[in-house]
Amino acid sequence: EAGVAQSPRYKIIEKRQSVAFWCNPISGHATLYWYQQILGQGPKLLIQFQNNGVVDDSQLPKDRFSAERLKGVDSTLKIQPAKLEDSAVYLCASSLEWTPLYEQYFGPGTRLTVT
Amino acid sequence: AQSVAQPEDQVNVAEGNPLTVKCTYSVSGNPYLFWYVQYPNRGLQFLLKYITGDNLVKGSYGFEAEFNKSQTSFHLKKPSALVSDSALYFCAVRDKENRDDKIIFGKGTRLHILP
Repeated sequence: EAGVAQSPRYKIIEKRQSVAFWCNPISGHATLYWYQQILGQGPKLLIQFQNNGVVDDSQLPKDRFSAERLKGVDSTLKIQPAKLEDSAVYLCASSLEWTPLYEQYFGPGTRLTVT
Repeated sequence: AQSVAQPEDQVNVAEGNPLTVKCTYSVSGNPYLFWYVQYPNRGLQFLLKYITGDNLVKGSYGFEAEFNKSQTSFHLKKPSALVSDSALYFCAVRDKENRDDKIIFGKGTRLHILP
């Protein structure tokens, strides 16, 4: 079975620019997660989708971050405008259902550097 | 709020020796606990979880974890370390205090297995 796909793998932008990340979850997985992992810290949940609806976006900085999951499959996370503190690895994960009792499968991540 | 603490930033173990990676938790109610591993340039992988039942949980790659309610700990263990076990290990806890239901990760412990 194919894993969670993410692109790009690396991105370097200047502050105040915009950037978008793409995620394709495992086929059949209803739940999709976006995490931010800052160097030296554990992943922090940004947003969680169940099919194409948002379950939890309480930690998403909504003034600059946005995410969508059209048709309940692929998802895009956007940052506009980027700040230096947004430098991190952005991880996408998927699971069969939305409760954490179902194992989450993670993609390889996108490493963002904001200069 | 629910939380986990990983008191060691790094653990060094000689190959063939037993290893322990420590984790303590703070939760209200029954804890649901997880261990994930992150190999270089790869996404997080699920190792094991504790929901209920036996205090000793067996997981992938020969790892196991011991749930200790009195000490509020969930330490990851392996009887004989391999060089290939060198990676970043994350302890996590289910957070269901609010309406949402998500996993909170610790900051991670880097495990170095010395040949």
